[in-house]
Amino acid sequence: DTEVTQTPKHLVMGMTNKKSLKCEQHMGHRAMYWYKQKAKKPPELMFVYSYEKLSINESVPSRFSPECPNSSLLNLHLHALQPEDSALYLCASSQDSGLRTDTQYFGPGTRLTVL
Amino acid sequence: GQSLEQPSEVTAVEGAIVQINCTYQTSGFYGLSWYQQHDGGAPTFLSYNALDGLEETGRFSSFLSRSDSYGYLLLQELQMKDSASYFCSHKAAGNKLTFGGGTRVLVKP
Repeated sequence: DTEVTQTPKHLVMGMTNKKSLKCEQHMGHRAMYWYKQKAKKPPELMFVYSYEKLSINESVPSRFSPECPNSSLLNLHLHALQPEDSALYLCASSQDSGLRTDTQYFGPGTRLTVL
Repeated sequence: GQSLEQPSEVTAVEGAIVQINCTYQTSGFYGLSWYQQHDGGAPTFLSYNALDGLEETGRFSSFLSRSDSYGYLLLQELQMKDSASYFCSHKAAGNKLTFGGGTRVLVKP
């Protein structure tokens, strides 16, 4: 199984709503990532979890709150978002073996629209 | 800091060969990776170069010259399904992956 799954596929929310994005992998990977991608732009790294601990936060606003309940699951909690936060949110995972060839596997993404 | 530059768009016909160049500036080089992303889809890994030279995987090949801070992805025998965006990327310490701006490849019949 080389699949990373994400739910929901689409999400529309108001600026006062609280919602969560979910990501799951069963490849035994120990590193998981959240990226944000705007149309016609490359993915931008938001957070990295390594062995269930947050290792990188790319100065993301606090209205985005990541959570890693276990090594297979990654959540992104959303609260008081702005319209400019509308984007494709991608989850990825990798073995985190320390090797330079640590390939990242991406999920299909959640397309988020903030009204 | 990390930056990777690649052309924004390339158009070619079926059966042709396309080369997508990528120049980079990094502090600490771990290797250059290439990802493909179809519209509405997820990025998928294509290839990785840690050392100078050519890596071949089927119709796709990737090249790296560390002394020139330069690499390229070569797409041969282009097919319609190869229409997608292609990103070069660099992995830094801490599993941090930085992407180039992406090259949109349009294959015409």
